Amino acid sequence: ETGVTQSPTHLIKTRGQQVTLRCSSQSGHNTVSWYQQALGQGPQFIFQYYREEENGRGNFPPRFSGLQFPNYSSELNVNALELDDSALYLCASSAIGGVETEAFFGQGTRLTVV
Amino acid sequence: AQKITQTQPGMFVQEKEAVTLDCTYDTSDQSYGLFWYKQPSSGEMIFLIYQGSYDEQNATEGRYSLNFQKARKSANLVISASQLGDSAMYFCAMREAYNAGNMLTFGGGTRLMVKP
Repeated sequence: ETGVTQSPTHLIKTRGQQVTLRCSSQSGHNTVSWYQQALGQGPQFIFQYYREEENGRGNFPPRFSGLQFPNYSSELNVNALELDDSALYLCASSAIGGVETEAFFGQGTRLTVV
Repeated sequence: AQKITQTQPGMFVQEKEAVTLDCTYDTSDQSYGLFWYKQPSSGEMIFLIYQGSYDEQNATEGRYSLNFQKARKSANLVISASQLGDSAMYFCAMREAYNAGNMLTFGGGTRLMVKP
């Protein structure tokens, strides 16, 4: 077990709605990253937060936004949900560092948009 | 071009036998790290093994070893003595030094099925 927890584990939303996913980082980690994993594919990087600031973003539109709190927990917000947003959303926490830095993943939130 | 390519969508292996899962990567960076993760049906990504671009020795972690061929840009995962619990999705991933933060780029994965 990694110590990274995500909530909720499953979620069903209607197209056009907004959703907030939550992640509690592993103790001592100051960096959190979010990934989207569509069915049958590898995870795709959404963005990363370090010390409450976004410091990296993948190829996702602005309706994907996030927050990191002083205790290093994080939220992923998605506005105007589309059917293609249906996916497993993974949160990963780590310490900021070099290429060898290990990322610890939560169990994910499965979002279904209908 | 794909940064990480896993050409085997699915693999079968007999219990107790060894299996190799292929991974090729593409980068112009000199400093990078390569990771393998296991993802069971529960969804969590479980870290297995890491290889740095400057590491001269192949990485090993218990039954997992990484066959790193830098010139060919390949980082194949070898699982020895397969167990039924090894049945899962396996992802190869790369972190490049110049990339935003700690971003990992993943391949499409290989589903490994261990037969009793």
